[in-house]
Amino acid sequence: NAGVTQTPKFQVLKTGQSMTLQCAQDMNHNSMYWYRQDPGMGLRLIYYSASEGTTDKGEVPNGYNVSRLNKREFSLRLESAAPSQTSVYFCASSLKTTGSSYEQYFGPGTRLTVT
Amino acid sequence: GQSLEQPSEVTAVEGAIVQINCTYQTSGFYGLSWYQQHDGGAPTFLSYNALDGLEETGRFSSFLSRSDSYGYLLLQELQMKDSASYFCPEGDSNYQLIWGAGTKLIIKP
Repeated sequence: NAGVTQTPKFQVLKTGQSMTLQCAQDMNHNSMYWYRQDPGMGLRLIYYSASEGTTDKGEVPNGYNVSRLNKREFSLRLESAAPSQTSVYFCASSLKTTGSSYEQYFGPGTRLTVT
Repeated sequence: GQSLEQPSEVTAVEGAIVQINCTYQTSGFYGLSWYQQHDGGAPTFLSYNALDGLEETGRFSSFLSRSDSYGYLLLQELQMKDSASYFCPEGDSNYQLIWGAGTKLIIKP
């Protein structure tokens, strides 16, 4: 099993460009998450999907959109990139059962730079 | 409100024992998790405490006291590979994790 995979690993965008970050998991998990991590900081939740067909905003959703394509895949889209979105983006997944939801499995991350 | 406090940096010697503390202030608290993150890597799950007491997994143990809004991670027989950042995100009623800035653990030979 690959666990959680993310593409791309690195990306450089110019201000105003758009892009989609892809995430897939093969663990049959119900819940999926998108976080961003700025240098020296903890993770901040952008959006999450508690189950297939549902998505909800997290702490910092502005400037982002998501799609839960099916149970395996959860994508994050930046419609018009801004330098403030320069960050490392992590996708994660978890089983949605009491206790188990707090055990999240992370992808390797996408390092995004917006110039 | 929600507020997590951890020391920003802890230094220890290889082979020793180190404790990383975590205090929280939140309503709707459901439990405390611990994650390890190496530089340039992704967070990996270490443990989860929902109830008071000590959970042991190999060289790592995690403790929670709900009455004191306090927990800690204990690392024994420190190895150089334990040099990493450690986070204690708290779980809320929506199964979300709320993360603080974490503790950077530096291990010296």
